[in-house]
Amino acid sequence: GQQLNQSPQSMFIQEGEDVSMNCTSSSIFNTWLWYKQDPGEGPVLLIALYKAGELTSNGRLTAQFGITRKDSFLNISASIPSDVGIYFCAGPGEYGNKLVFGAGTILRVKS
Amino acid sequence: SAVISQKPSRDICQRGTSLTIQCQVDSQVTMMFWYRQQPGQSLTLIATANQGSEATYESGFVIDKFPISRPNLTFSTLTVSNMSPEDSSIYLCSVDTGGVNGYTFGSGTRLTVV
Repeated sequence: GQQLNQSPQSMFIQEGEDVSMNCTSSSIFNTWLWYKQDPGEGPVLLIALYKAGELTSNGRLTAQFGITRKDSFLNISASIPSDVGIYFCAGPGEYGNKLVFGAGTILRVKS
Repeated sequence: SAVISQKPSRDICQRGTSLTIQCQVDSQVTMMFWYRQQPGQSLTLIATANQGSEATYESGFVIDKFPISRPNLTFSTLTVSNMSPEDSSIYLCSVDTGGVNGYTFGSGTRLTVV
Protein backbone atom coordinates (compact mmCIF):
# COMPACT_ATOMS: atom_id res chain seq x y z
CA GLY A 1 0.00 0.00 0.00
CA GLN A 2 0.90 3.65 -0.10
CA GLN A 3 3.38 4.88 2.47
CA LEU A 4 4.50 8.29 3.61
CA ASN A 5 8.08 8.82 4.76
CA GLN A 6 8.26 11.69 7.21
CA SER A 7 11.40 13.36 8.51
CA PRO A 8 12.93 14.27 10.78
CA GLN A 9 11.71 11.87 13.42
CA SER A 10 12.20 14.45 16.15
CA MET A 11 13.51 17.96 16.66
CA PHE A 12 14.63 19.85 19.75
CA ILE A 13 14.95 23.51 18.93
CA GLN A 14 15.39 26.86 20.62
CA GLU A 15 12.36 29.12 20.95
CA GLY A 16 12.31 31.58 18.08
CA GLU A 17 13.93 29.25 15.58
CA ASP A 18 12.28 28.20 12.35
CA VAL A 19 11.34 24.55 11.81
CA SER A 20 11.05 22.52 8.65
CA MET A 21 9.77 18.98 8.19
CA ASN A 22 8.82 17.03 5.12
CA CYS A 23 7.03 14.02 3.76
CA THR A 24 7.79 11.97 0.68
CA SER A 25 6.10 9.09 -1.04
CA SER A 26 6.92 6.73 -3.88
CA SER A 27 3.37 7.17 -5.18
CA ILE A 28 1.29 10.18 -6.11
CA PHE A 29 -1.02 11.83 -3.62
CA ASN A 30 -3.78 14.21 -4.73
CA THR A 31 -4.16 15.78 -1.30
CA TRP A 32 -1.66 16.48 1.44
CA LEU A 33 -2.77 17.16 4.99
CA TRP A 34 -0.71 18.32 7.95
CA TYR A 35 -1.94 17.57 11.48
CA LYS A 36 -0.69 18.41 14.95
CA GLN A 37 -1.33 16.16 17.94
CA ASP A 38 -1.03 17.52 21.46
CA PRO A 39 -0.53 15.08 24.35
CA GLY A 40 -3.80 13.36 25.25
CA GLU A 41 -5.62 14.72 22.24
CA GLY A 42 -6.55 13.62 18.76
CA PRO A 43 -4.82 15.12 15.71
CA VAL A 44 -6.01 18.56 14.63
CA LEU A 45 -5.83 19.63 11.00
CA LEU A 46 -3.38 22.50 10.43
CA ILE A 47 -3.21 22.85 6.66
CA ALA A 48 -4.78 21.05 3.69
CA LEU A 49 -3.21 21.13 0.22
CA TYR A 50 -5.15 20.14 -2.88
CA LYS A 51 -3.12 21.23 -5.91
CA ALA A 52 0.43 20.46 -7.02
CA GLY A 53 2.66 23.47 -6.38
CA GLU A 54 0.19 24.99 -3.93
CA LEU A 55 1.72 27.02 -1.10
CA THR A 56 -0.60 27.68 1.82
CA SER A 57 -0.10 29.54 5.08
CA ASN A 58 -1.87 29.39 8.41
CA GLY A 59 -0.37 32.00 10.73
CA ARG A 60 3.26 31.04 11.32
CA LEU A 61 2.79 27.76 9.44
CA THR A 62 3.45 27.35 5.73
CA ALA A 63 3.05 24.15 3.75
CA GLN A 64 3.67 23.30 0.12
CA PHE A 65 2.37 20.56 -2.16
CA GLY A 66 5.28 19.35 -4.26
CA ILE A 67 5.13 19.65 -8.04
CA THR A 68 5.67 15.91 -8.49
CA ARG A 69 2.72 15.20 -6.10
CA LYS A 70 5.07 12.93 -4.18
CA ASP A 71 6.20 15.27 -1.45
CA SER A 72 5.19 18.09 0.86
CA PHE A 73 6.86 20.20 3.49
CA LEU A 74 5.70 22.11 6.54
CA ASN A 75 7.55 25.12 7.91
CA ILE A 76 6.97 26.78 11.26
CA SER A 77 8.47 30.20 11.70
CA ALA A 78 9.59 31.76 14.98
CA SER A 79 8.67 28.73 17.10
CA ILE A 80 7.05 29.19 20.50
CA PRO A 81 6.60 26.73 23.39
CA SER A 82 3.01 25.87 22.41
CA ASP A 83 4.29 24.50 19.10
CA VAL A 84 5.41 21.42 21.03
CA GLY A 85 3.67 18.27 19.86
CA ILE A 86 3.70 15.63 17.17
CA TYR A 87 3.22 16.71 13.57
CA PHE A 88 1.85 14.25 11.04
CA CYS A 89 1.56 14.43 7.30
CA ALA A 90 -1.31 12.47 5.80
CA GLY A 91 -3.02 11.83 2.51
CA PRO A 92 -5.90 9.80 1.09
CA GLY A 93 -4.88 6.24 0.33
CA GLU A 94 -5.26 4.49 -2.97
CA TYR A 95 -9.03 4.15 -2.53
CA GLY A 96 -9.43 7.84 -1.91
CA ASN A 97 -11.30 8.02 1.36
CA LYS A 98 -8.96 6.51 3.93
CA LEU A 99 -6.06 8.49 5.31
CA VAL A 100 -2.49 7.23 5.29
CA PHE A 101 -0.27 8.83 7.92
CA GLY A 102 3.43 9.54 8.12
CA ALA A 103 5.33 8.36 11.20
CA GLY A 104 5.24 11.82 12.74
CA THR A 105 7.78 14.45 13.77
CA ILE A 106 8.12 15.10 17.50
CA LEU A 107 8.82 18.78 18.11
CA ARG A 108 10.26 20.02 21.37
CA VAL A 109 10.93 23.71 21.97
CA LYS A 110 13.47 24.96 24.49
CA SER A 111 12.59 28.34 25.95
CA SER B 1 -15.97 21.20 10.84
CA ALA B 2 -17.69 18.40 12.75
CA VAL B 3 -17.43 18.09 16.52
CA ILE B 4 -16.75 14.57 17.77
CA SER B 5 -17.35 13.35 21.31
CA GLN B 6 -15.48 10.18 22.15
CA LYS B 7 -15.72 8.26 25.39
CA PRO B 8 -14.31 7.02 27.59
CA SER B 9 -11.27 9.26 27.38
CA ARG B 10 -9.18 6.65 29.13
CA ASP B 11 -9.55 3.31 30.85
CA ILE B 12 -7.48 0.66 32.54
CA CYS B 13 -8.79 -2.84 31.87
CA GLN B 14 -8.00 -6.37 32.91
CA ARG B 15 -6.74 -8.76 30.29
CA GLY B 16 -9.41 -10.99 28.85
CA THR B 17 -12.15 -8.38 29.20
CA SER B 18 -13.70 -6.17 26.51
CA LEU B 19 -14.13 -2.41 26.24
CA THR B 20 -16.59 -0.54 24.05
CA ILE B 21 -15.63 2.93 22.86
CA GLN B 22 -18.32 5.35 21.71
CA CYS B 23 -18.08 8.07 19.09
CA GLN B 24 -20.81 10.69 18.67
CA VAL B 25 -20.75 13.30 15.88
CA ASP B 26 -22.75 16.53 15.86
CA SER B 27 -23.74 16.09 12.22
CA GLN B 28 -24.67 13.26 9.90
CA VAL B 29 -21.70 11.67 8.14
CA THR B 30 -21.55 8.85 5.67
CA MET B 31 -18.36 7.21 6.85
CA MET B 32 -16.70 7.01 10.23
CA PHE B 33 -13.19 5.68 10.68
CA TRP B 34 -11.52 3.97 13.62
CA TYR B 35 -7.77 4.28 14.14
CA ARG B 36 -5.27 2.78 16.56
CA GLN B 37 -2.21 4.64 17.74
CA GLN B 38 0.22 2.39 19.57
CA PRO B 39 2.64 4.01 22.03
CA GLY B 40 5.07 6.28 20.22
CA GLN B 41 3.64 5.32 16.84
CA SER B 42 1.60 6.86 14.07
CA LEU B 43 -2.06 6.22 13.36
CA THR B 44 -3.17 2.99 11.73
CA LEU B 45 -6.63 2.56 10.28
CA ILE B 46 -8.57 -0.31 11.84
CA ALA B 47 -11.79 -0.12 9.87
CA THR B 48 -14.34 2.05 8.13
CA ALA B 49 -17.80 2.06 9.70
CA ASN B 50 -20.67 2.42 7.23
CA GLN B 51 -24.27 2.94 8.25
CA GLY B 52 -26.48 0.07 7.18
CA SER B 53 -23.71 -2.34 6.29
CA GLU B 54 -20.85 -4.21 7.91
CA ALA B 55 -17.66 -2.36 8.65
CA THR B 56 -14.74 -2.72 6.26
CA TYR B 57 -11.60 -3.89 8.04
CA GLU B 58 -8.01 -3.22 7.07
CA SER B 59 -5.42 -5.93 6.73
CA GLY B 60 -4.43 -7.25 10.14
CA PHE B 61 -7.69 -6.34 11.86
CA VAL B 62 -10.66 -8.71 12.20
CA ILE B 63 -14.27 -8.31 13.21
CA ASP B 64 -14.06 -10.83 16.04
CA LYS B 65 -11.39 -8.75 17.76
CA PHE B 66 -12.74 -5.29 16.89
CA PRO B 67 -16.51 -5.49 16.36
CA ILE B 68 -17.99 -2.20 15.18
CA SER B 69 -21.54 -0.90 15.26
CA ARG B 70 -22.96 1.97 13.21
CA PRO B 71 -26.66 2.25 14.09
CA ASN B 72 -27.14 5.70 12.55
CA LEU B 73 -25.33 8.49 10.72
CA THR B 74 -24.07 10.23 13.88
CA PHE B 75 -22.88 7.38 16.09
CA SER B 76 -20.51 4.42 16.10
CA THR B 77 -18.92 2.09 18.62
CA LEU B 78 -15.70 0.09 18.53
CA THR B 79 -15.24 -2.83 20.90
CA VAL B 80 -11.80 -4.15 21.77
CA SER B 81 -12.45 -7.78 22.67
CA ASN B 82 -10.56 -10.27 24.81
CA MET B 83 -7.93 -7.69 25.54
CA SER B 84 -4.24 -8.33 26.09
CA PRO B 85 -1.49 -5.87 27.06
CA GLU B 86 -0.62 -5.57 23.36
CA ASP B 87 -3.95 -3.80 22.86
CA SER B 88 -2.78 -0.90 25.02
CA SER B 89 -3.07 2.04 22.63
CA ILE B 90 -4.95 5.20 21.88
CA TYR B 91 -8.07 4.51 19.83
CA LEU B 92 -9.45 7.38 17.74
CA CYS B 93 -12.54 7.87 15.68
CA SER B 94 -12.58 10.17 12.70
CA VAL B 95 -15.06 11.48 10.15
CA ASP B 96 -14.70 13.08 6.75
CA THR B 97 -17.02 16.01 6.35
CA GLY B 98 -15.48 17.02 3.05
CA GLY B 99 -14.15 20.38 2.00
CA VAL B 100 -11.15 22.16 3.44
CA ASN B 101 -11.87 20.93 6.95
CA GLY B 102 -11.67 17.38 5.75
CA TYR B 103 -11.01 14.71 8.29
CA THR B 104 -11.77 15.50 11.93
CA PHE B 105 -10.67 13.38 14.87
CA GLY B 106 -12.08 12.70 18.28
CA SER B 107 -9.83 13.27 21.29
CA GLY B 108 -9.13 9.56 21.58
CA THR B 109 -9.48 6.81 24.16
CA ARG B 110 -6.27 5.89 25.95
CA LEU B 111 -6.54 2.20 26.81
CA THR B 112 -4.18 0.41 29.17
CA VAL B 113 -4.54 -3.35 29.56
CA VAL B 114 -3.01 -4.90 32.66
